[in-house]
Amino acid sequence: SQQGEEDPQALSIQEGENATMNCSYKTSINNLQWYRQNSGRGLVHLILIRSNEREKHSGRLRVTLDTSKKSSSLLITASRAADTASYFCATLNTGGFKTIFGAGTRLFVKA
Amino acid sequence: EPEVTQTPSHQVTQMGQEVILRCVPISNHLYFYWYRQILGQKVEFLVSFYNNEISEKSEIFDDQFSVERPDGSNFTLKIRSTKLEDSAMYFCATQGQGATEAFFGQGTRLTVV
Repeated sequence: SQQGEEDPQALSIQEGENATMNCSYKTSINNLQWYRQNSGRGLVHLILIRSNEREKHSGRLRVTLDTSKKSSSLLITASRAADTASYFCATLNTGGFKTIFGAGTRLFVKA
Repeated sequence: EPEVTQTPSHQVTQMGQEVILRCVPISNHLYFYWYRQILGQKVEFLVSFYNNEISEKSEIFDDQFSVERPDGSNFTLKIRSTKLEDSAMYFCATQGQGATEAFFGQGTRLTVV
């Protein structure tokens, strides 16, 4: 079964708008992380939210976690063209060690 | 800030050749991982390594692949006889004892021609 599935698969917005990406997962988790990846480049760790946290902020990023629904959302406020990238959620399962990635959301911010 | 270092950043190899991808973990980290990302696709788990042995591997990690930590420092992924479909970005990740977060390197782009 897939763990950490994002939606939408692709999102196109205008600069200045907010972008919201969602992630669902299937099993109990220890934490959930969001990563950004520019085309063909490495993974940039954005934010980690633990299973006992409900919301976390970092700059223009806001992450929520609802463990009862097994879902998380990433909100990027006041988006910029430089935010154009793929965004992945990744989960670390309870009692596990490997990080499981979702398929990602491709965000395109038009200037 | 400590970081995971991967070398080379880009490797081009002929089909059938052996390649070794290298990773220098963060000092004192004890858990090591390799992941693969085929262009445009998701990041997939390959293998985890702890206490000098494989602790878990995915179905992708077949007999063509091997991992080791030969000198207690570098953590390597070897692909014995590369195939075109091995072309991908390979990420190393390391994790400390009791930690709940793995740290990823910047990846090695492997191109098999």
